Amino acid sequence: IVMTQSPLSLPVTPGEPASISCRSSQSLLQTYGFNYVDWYLQKPGQSPQLLIYLGSSRAPGVPDRFSGGGSGTDFTLRISRVEAEDVGVYYCMQTLQTPFIFGPGTKVHIK
Amino acid sequence: VYLVESGGGVAQRGGSLRLSCRVSGFEFSKYAMQWVRQAPGKGLEWLAVISDDGLKQEFADSVKGRFSISRDNPKNTVYLQMSSLRAEDSAVYFCARGLGYSTLDHWGRGTLVTVSS
Repeated sequence: IVMTQSPLSLPVTPGEPASISCRSSQSLLQTYGFNYVDWYLQKPGQSPQLLIYLGSSRAPGVPDRFSGGGSGTDFTLRISRVEAEDVGVYYCMQTLQTPFIFGPGTKVHIK
Repeated sequence: VYLVESGGGVAQRGGSLRLSCRVSGFEFSKYAMQWVRQAPGKGLEWLAVISDDGLKQEFADSVKGRFSISRDNPKNTVYLQMSSLRAEDSAVYFCARGLGYSTLDHWGRGTLVTVSS
């Protein structure tokens, strides 16, 4: 499975919405309607952190301005109102089958 | 939840290294564990997963046959044994807890491995 993301660089304005697209080379939709894609954020100088799992479930402690959507092969991470602390590299990852594969990452930075 | 990797350092090309990840704050024996690496300035690369009971291990093609993963549940530790090291194995290596079998819900800070010639 190949994972792609767009854009690879995303300048954002605090207070404005932002979205990142992730596409897989095969469907990640499985039994019971779960999409096996996760989203991670790696802030500068930090380890990655889980934001969204199974396509749309927000991880504990993740602000509700983050949401995951999509199904099958096309997925989107949305930030309803960007905050300065949201800068970093966002990765999608398919968890349907091994080898689990990360997308190339989208670097989000302040305009 | 804490995960602390150790064992990184400089290794010779063709040599071996064993990384450890000691965890605390959760019931280790109930979770799958994984390793992910990040080469300098590059993205994340998933490497390996081991089931909660240690009976199932799976690997990325790039390390299959060279790396092995194991765990010692009484010691709350997961290991990554790396052999036949190549220059392209130079990276920061992260261990992570598996939510279910696959999602990485908690990560360590990583340990740096440098493979020199």
